[in-house]
Amino acid sequence: TAGITQAPTSQILAAGRSMTLRCTQDMRHNAMYWYRQDLGLGLRLIHYSNTAGTTGKGEVPDGYSVSRANTDDFPLTLASAVPSQTSVYFCASSKVHYNEQFFGPGTRLTVL
Amino acid sequence: AQKVTQAQTEISVVEKEDVTLDCVYETRDTTYYLFWYKQPPSGELVFLIRRNSFDEQNEISGRYSWNFQKSTSSFNFTITASQVVDSAVYFCALSEAPENAGNMLTFGGGTRLMVKP
Repeated sequence: TAGITQAPTSQILAAGRSMTLRCTQDMRHNAMYWYRQDLGLGLRLIHYSNTAGTTGKGEVPDGYSVSRANTDDFPLTLASAVPSQTSVYFCASSKVHYNEQFFGPGTRLTVL
Repeated sequence: AQKVTQAQTEISVVEKEDVTLDCVYETRDTTYYLFWYKQPPSGELVFLIRRNSFDEQNEISGRYSWNFQKSTSSFNFTITASQVVDSAVYFCALSEAPENAGNMLTFGGGTRLMVKP
């Protein structure tokens, strides 16, 4: 079934450690996104990529980095995790000129 | 800057009641897109509808209908004859023209709908 996969499903991480959240899509969408979802705040954009080789900052980019080496993969890295990064992280993708974004199942991250 | 407000944080109805979820948005662009997503208890986000700013026709899909009114900057969502399976958090979202901000979606805070049997 076509779609977006994310790994891991959940993770507990010690503060100060680094971690990469993985996201892969098989819909050949040009654009990909990372959001975080916190209670009462809806979803907020962390980083995006309009096409392979390009990335941009969203609303809450601090503490996160991304890369887009190819069309399918868009990993999100936390270089030194802090407790405020405890959240549910969603990866999404869309065709560049069609704005429907399709979301992965999410990664629940707890930073202690 | 774009903004989406969902003033209703929680709504509780009894099965078969109709319910309307409100969404009010702010944008300076004349070209923009509005969306509704559903997030059931399982956690995934399900795309429901997209409307562009030039199409104010209301839309009906089964028990779901959407009322887009540019004059009041609103894009309300009505569920007719609600069912327990409609229980979820519903998000309204706004995206300005594709060439701006990387197709960034700005989400409202969500409305939690509880449908009781």
